[in-house]
Amino acid sequence: ILLTQSPGTLSLSPGERASLSCRASQSVTKSYLAWYQQKPGQAPRLLMYGASSRAPGIPDRFSGSGSGTDFTLTISGLEPEDFAVYYCQQYGYSPLTFGQGTKLEIK
Amino acid sequence: QVQLVESGGGVVQPGRSLRLSCGASGFSFSKYAIHWVRQTPGKGLEWVALISYDGSNIYYADSVKGRFTISRDNSKNTLSLQMSNLRPEDTAVYYCARDPLWESYRLGSYFDYWGQGTLVTVSS
Repeated sequence: ILLTQSPGTLSLSPGERASLSCRASQSVTKSYLAWYQQKPGQAPRLLMYGASSRAPGIPDRFSGSGSGTDFTLTISGLEPEDFAVYYCQQYGYSPLTFGQGTKLEIK
Repeated sequence: QVQLVESGGGVVQPGRSLRLSCGASGFSFSKYAIHWVRQTPGKGLEWVALISYDGSNIYYADSVKGRFTISRDNSKNTLSLQMSNLRPEDTAVYYCARDPLWESYRLGSYFDYWGQGTLVTVSS
């Protein structure tokens, strides 16, 4: 399954709301979609799984939604530490695949 | 706390071999499947291989099938990736990452913990 993330880069200010899109080339089984955050020089960190379940320790300003082929990661009230690259990943089909990423930068 | 630490990366010529290791601590290693995932600036994140908790089920990406071998030693809490016939396109940061499901043997999950990665450069 091909995952396409948009936009490629999103420029926002702290306190604003971010909406990141992940579109799949075919329907993702049982909403088996995860989101990760990656900062420079670090490994990806799991944020969401099952499209809308937050991983342990993830603040509730992060939320996920969607089903089928369209999924969204929303960050309500951006904090300075939220500026990073975000990836979606599907795990309903083999091989496991990732989107190309959305860079969230400070405006 | 859960910790995964990769080692073994370096510079290697095309066609040669390299072995990566991943040491685990802070959890019951023998009860979790472990993946290798790699990352390049050009192709982004790519899943490479999975070994089930007991080593009985192994899966590979088509891009590495026949060249890479994943294995584990549950008595030593270590995971390995033997890479042979390396190509320039194998150049990447390689991460080991844990599958979150207890005693999983299926390919179909996300990754709840990642190591810090080890860089492999294939170049003459």
